Amino acid sequence: TQLLEQSPQFLSIQEGENLTVYCNSSSVFSSLQWYRQEPGEGPVLLVTVVTGGEVKKLKRLTFQFGDARKDSSLHITAAQPGDTGLYLCAGAGSSYKLIFGSGTRLLVRP
Amino acid sequence: SQTIHQWPATLVQPVGSPLSLECTVEGTSNPNLYWYRQAAGRGLQLLFYSVGIGQISSEVPQNLSASRPQDRQFILSSKKLLLSDSGFYLCASDPGGEKLFFGSGTQLSVL
Repeated sequence: TQLLEQSPQFLSIQEGENLTVYCNSSSVFSSLQWYRQEPGEGPVLLVTVVTGGEVKKLKRLTFQFGDARKDSSLHITAAQPGDTGLYLCAGAGSSYKLIFGSGTRLLVRP
Repeated sequence: SQTIHQWPATLVQPVGSPLSLECTVEGTSNPNLYWYRQAAGRGLQLLFYSVGIGQISSEVPQNLSASRPQDRQFILSSKKLLLSDSGFYLCASDPGGEKLFFGSGTQLSVL
């Protein structure tokens, strides 16, 4: 069974601080996606990484896919209260199914 | 662009009652469709997925069932709800195999 573990589970930081969220697995994924979810809503896709070692930037967010395609990280620079939410990584294997991580709840305090 | 309609947004049901959650998709055809359940503030557990009309794959043994009577309609059902069925249910569509579009979810409380 493919599993994705995210760490930390919960993060509370002050506005302006930097943070990194990790997504780890013992399985290889063909691609990995990061979603952000607001309370009471469905997740929204932020980025998809496909190539081992790939780095993608989305404004203050930097996403990296591990060389072996088993892990990924999300780094946020100068966090803002609008970044608050649940961050989910999801790995795509050989089937139609996405395997979701356990989630990281981020709270950015003004 | 694609839109996922899910209703109701909130549902409170007694133990032992039936359940029917409906999901419809607009803006695409022949999508892969999924039902996920999410515990509060946690990751998503895949319950069912469908690659076409009448084709349902179940991921975990449970008290729930799914049906796909039309190309863009996906229904989650139960004959008798259990307390453990409480959770946030999300319908998702994967039209091109690249990413998931999610509905706004249904918060189910079984009392």
